[in-house]
This record gives sequence, C-alpha cells and structure tokens, in this order.
Amino acid sequence: ETGVTQSPTHLIKTRGQQVTLRCSSQSGHNTVSWYQQALGQGPQFIFQYYREEENGRGNFPPRFSGLQFPNYSSELNVNALELDDSALYLCASSGTASHNEQFFGPGTRLTVL
Amino acid sequence: QQPVQSPQAVILREGEDAVINCSSSKALYSVHWYRQKHGEAPVFLMILLKGGEQKGHEKISASFNEKKQQSSLYLTASQLSYSGTYFCGTETVDRDDKIIFGKGTRLHILP
Repeated sequence: ETGVTQSPTHLIKTRGQQVTLRCSSQSGHNTVSWYQQALGQGPQFIFQYYREEENGRGNFPPRFSGLQFPNYSSELNVNALELDDSALYLCASSGTASHNEQFFGPGTRLTVL
Repeated sequence: QQPVQSPQAVILREGEDAVINCSSSKALYSVHWYRQKHGEAPVFLMILLKGGEQKGHEKISASFNEKKQQSSLYLTASQLSYSGTYFCGTETVDRDDKIIFGKGTRLHILP
C-alpha cells in the first residue's frame, strides 16, 4: 500500500505566473482534499474532490482550481500567483466519508517572489 | 467557523501530562486530531464522532462534549516524541464534508 505523494516538493514562481501541483492518493481512497498552510498556521481548506467532482470549497478565489482523475490522483492549479500564495500546500486522501481519517502527503512548498 | 484551540503553546518535562482543548461555535459531527512535526505532514491521531464513537491512537485519549462543542486531547506521561504542533479539525453536523482546522497548539517536551 503506497502512501500519499505530492510533486514537486519545492517550487519557486514569480508573481502573475501559474502553477500546477500534483497529488497521488493512497491506494483505495477516492477522496482528495487540498489545504494551504501558511507558516505557523493550521491547514486552510481549499477544496475537496470526490470521484472526479468538486465536493466542497473553502474561502479561496476562483483562480484556485482543481481536477481529479479517474485514478483519483488530483491537481491543484493556481493562476495569477500573488505573494500571499507562498505557503505549504498539502493534499490529503481519505475513504468515502470525511469521518474517515485523512492521510496527508508531504506537501509542496511554494514560494512566490 | 474555525475552531479555537488552547493553549497556544505548552512546555513540559518528559513524563508530565498535557491537555489540549478545541472548541467550536457550530454544532459538530466530528472532531479530528493531528500532530505535525516541523517540516513534516500532519499525522492522524484520533477521530471523535457525534454519538461517542472514537477511532485513534493507543497512547492518546480524547473526549468530545457534543453539547458544548468542545473536545480535549489528553497526553499522558509525555514522551520526547510527543513534541510538535497539535491541530484539531472539525466537521459540522450539516456534513458538508469540510474539515476546518484550528491554528494549532505547539507542544515542546524537555528531557
């Protein structure tokens, strides 16, 4: 059983650019949630995907978008990057219901200059 | 909607006990507890569900007061490995499948 993986591990972009982050869910999990974690803060919910459909969204602007593929892996896309987008981006996979435990990936550290 | 955690930080000596609290202004369906060490991903510790069901860690216990929308995590006879930041995440009774995390409690265990 493989765990949750994310790529890349680190990324540096400049303001205005676009970025795509990737997540492979744990085997057997069909739900992926994305979080943004600023330094010293808790993870902030961006959105969740369940069976390729968006299944809930936090207070993030539309320039944050995502996809889930038939194999349940997922992408997070951020357009028109802003300095405040610099953070650790975590994805977590889980079984069908959110009252199952979420398994987090190691995260992607995004720096926007 | 973000749950409030207290205290913000705790320093203990190895072997001492700690209690971390989490409270919400919304009616809760579940409370999730995670520990995150510096530079690492959060690791699951415990889920407490409305109605009393618990799933979690063998050396850590927790309570969930549904009437007060509060949960507490109990760390007994703390070990050096318990150091890290503890987050509670809450899911409301409308079951919107969002888990909202608090700002965390930093725990440092001294030898």
